[in-house]
Amino acid sequence: DTGVSQNPRHKITKRGQNVTFRCDPISEHNRLYWYRQTLGQGPEFLTYFQNEAQLEKSRLLSDRFSAERPKGSFSTLEIQRTEQGDSAMYLCASSLISSNYGYTFGSGTRLTVV
Amino acid sequence: AQKVTQAQTEISVVEKEDVTLDCVYETRDTTYYLFWYKQPPSGELVFLIRRNSFDEQNEISGRYSWNFQKSTSSFNFTITASQVVDSAVYFCALSGNILTGGGNKLTFGTGTQLKVEL
Repeated sequence: DTGVSQNPRHKITKRGQNVTFRCDPISEHNRLYWYRQTLGQGPEFLTYFQNEAQLEKSRLLSDRFSAERPKGSFSTLEIQRTEQGDSAMYLCASSLISSNYGYTFGSGTRLTVV
Repeated sequence: AQKVTQAQTEISVVEKEDVTLDCVYETRDTTYYLFWYKQPPSGELVFLIRRNSFDEQNEISGRYSWNFQKSTSSFNFTITASQVVDSAVYFCALSGNILTGGGNKLTFGTGTQLKVEL
């Protein structure tokens, strides 16, 4: 296993279009997290899954955002009717509940809404 | 509510200088975890260290050292003999108790951009 993989690395979309990102966590990790990072800021928590269950969602996750983790493996994050304010780096992380090393992050998907 | 403050937005040093990155945190949890991550231009967050709130021993790993002071709610990071490859954004982060379910998310500071020049 080479770590957390995110696709695509970059996405440019027109305002109003829908986009979907994918995250493949480290295979034995049971938790998966989505974060959003805007320029000059630290990552902000969006949501997390334990196995296939989505256990917490941030108020940052508006109705236009939906995340899934079918079968507790990979996860997708969809943004509907994108807005310019959605432009950001979307980071995925995974962890084991009892990990001593916390979270392993992917390289992120950079979304630009034009 | 949890909060992490990294007051230093950007630091520039000359190679081989020592540099300390400051981190101050706020939490109501009695058990919590503190982290430092490095974010190079490639964007991936690289884990550097995790400390729990009951372990105030300072830690050294090669050129890196961390000073955790619960009395001042600080978890500062020092790089000794800095190198150009240390240039990156460094984030301090805080979570609740991972083992009891409180560690569901990390609260990050705004990061410190470190530039190490020749």
